[in-house]
Amino acid sequence: EAGVAQSPRYKIIEKRQSVAFWCNPISGHATLYWYQQILGQGPKLLIQFQNNGVVDDSQLPKDRFSAERLKGVDSTLKIQPAKLEDSAVYLCASSLVASTNYEQYFGPGTRLTVT
Amino acid sequence: GDSVTQMEGPVTLSEEAFLTINCTYTATGYPSLFWYVQYPGEGLQLLLKATKADDKGSNKGFEATYRKETTSFHLEKGSVQVSDSAVYFCALSSVYNTDKLIFGTGTRLQVFP
Repeated sequence: EAGVAQSPRYKIIEKRQSVAFWCNPISGHATLYWYQQILGQGPKLLIQFQNNGVVDDSQLPKDRFSAERLKGVDSTLKIQPAKLEDSAVYLCASSLVASTNYEQYFGPGTRLTVT
Repeated sequence: GDSVTQMEGPVTLSEEAFLTINCTYTATGYPSLFWYVQYPGEGLQLLLKATKADDKGSNKGFEATYRKETTSFHLEKGSVQVSDSAVYFCALSSVYNTDKLIFGTGTRLQVFP
């Protein structure tokens, strides 16, 4: 079974530019998560989708971050405009259903550097 | 709010040494507890979990016991290998939002031959 795919793996941009990340979850997984992992910290949930609906976006900086999951499969996370403090690894994860009984599977992440 | 505290790394060990990585948590009620591992260049993988007090999670020689009285979930392995070198994250899921994971800061383990 193919894992969670993310692209690009690395991205370097200047502050105030925009950037987008793409995630393809494991086939059949209804729940998709985006996490932000700043260097030296644990992952922090940004947004959770159940199919194509948002379940939790309480920690998403909505003035600059946006995310969508069209058709309940692939997802994109966008930052516009980027700030220096957005430098982090952005992780996508998926699970069959939203429950502790079902493991979250993580992709390799996209490392963003904002200069 | 709920939180997880892990010992700082790096933890540096020789092959076949005993490993302990400390993890304590603060949460309302009795959350589920997890250990995730991140090998170099790879995504996070679930290593083991425990969903109620006194449960022991185990996998690949690693163990952790859910201790309600000390609010701890320490990770142990009796004999580490070079291939265990990775970053280990302790995490919990809240009683009230059971699929939302809250992670600790991670502990890097380096095992030398």
